[in-house]
Amino acid sequence: DTGVSQDPRHKITKRGQNVTFRCDPISEHNRLYWYRQTLGQGPEFLTYFQNEAQLEKSRLLSDRFSAERPKGSFSTLEIQRTEQGDSAMYLCASSVGLTNEQFFGPGTRLTVL
Amino acid sequence: DQQVKQNSPSLSVQEGRISILNCDYTNSMFDYFLWYKKYPAEGPTFLISISSIKDKNEDGRFTVFLNKSAKHLSLHIVPSQPGDSAVYFCAASTGNQFYFGTGTSLTVIP
Repeated sequence: DTGVSQDPRHKITKRGQNVTFRCDPISEHNRLYWYRQTLGQGPEFLTYFQNEAQLEKSRLLSDRFSAERPKGSFSTLEIQRTEQGDSAMYLCASSVGLTNEQFFGPGTRLTVL
Repeated sequence: DQQVKQNSPSLSVQEGRISILNCDYTNSMFDYFLWYKKYPAEGPTFLISISSIKDKNEDGRFTVFLNKSAKHLSLHIVPSQPGDSAVYFCAASTGNQFYFGTGTSLTVIP
């Protein structure tokens, strides 16, 4: 069991550039979540997938953000035209079945200059 | 709007004593509550949870108490150990959306 993995672990980009993050959940976990965490705050829910279907999206997820989970396995989160306010830790979590216990990845730290 | 609040940013406890971490929430529709522990440079790790139909759940040294009328939950760690030093987040869910508090940094002093 390799746990939830995220790639890259760190990303530094210039304002206006596009970035894409990848999350590989625990195999056979059908539920996948994306969160954003800024300094001194708890994780903020962004979006939720059940298998390949994106079932929930937070109003925090502006139209510059898009997430996919094409085959119900790994997921990508893309941010277009990055802004300095997008600088944060982006966390991915997965779970299985009816349990609410989520397993988190180590996160991708994004810095927008 | 912060629907889940942890009003104590930090807590220090002597090894062997009880640690009590508190959490308040505002949304009466929350039906599941969880506690996570986070070490630096790692993602949060699940600790313990409780359904809204219960008022207590225990797992080893960890016990979570839920007071629905007060919209309050707490995590008790007995006895506290130095390895428990970390940031603790409470979370609440309704449906598939989860709301986290801002965390309490626990330091267990040897």
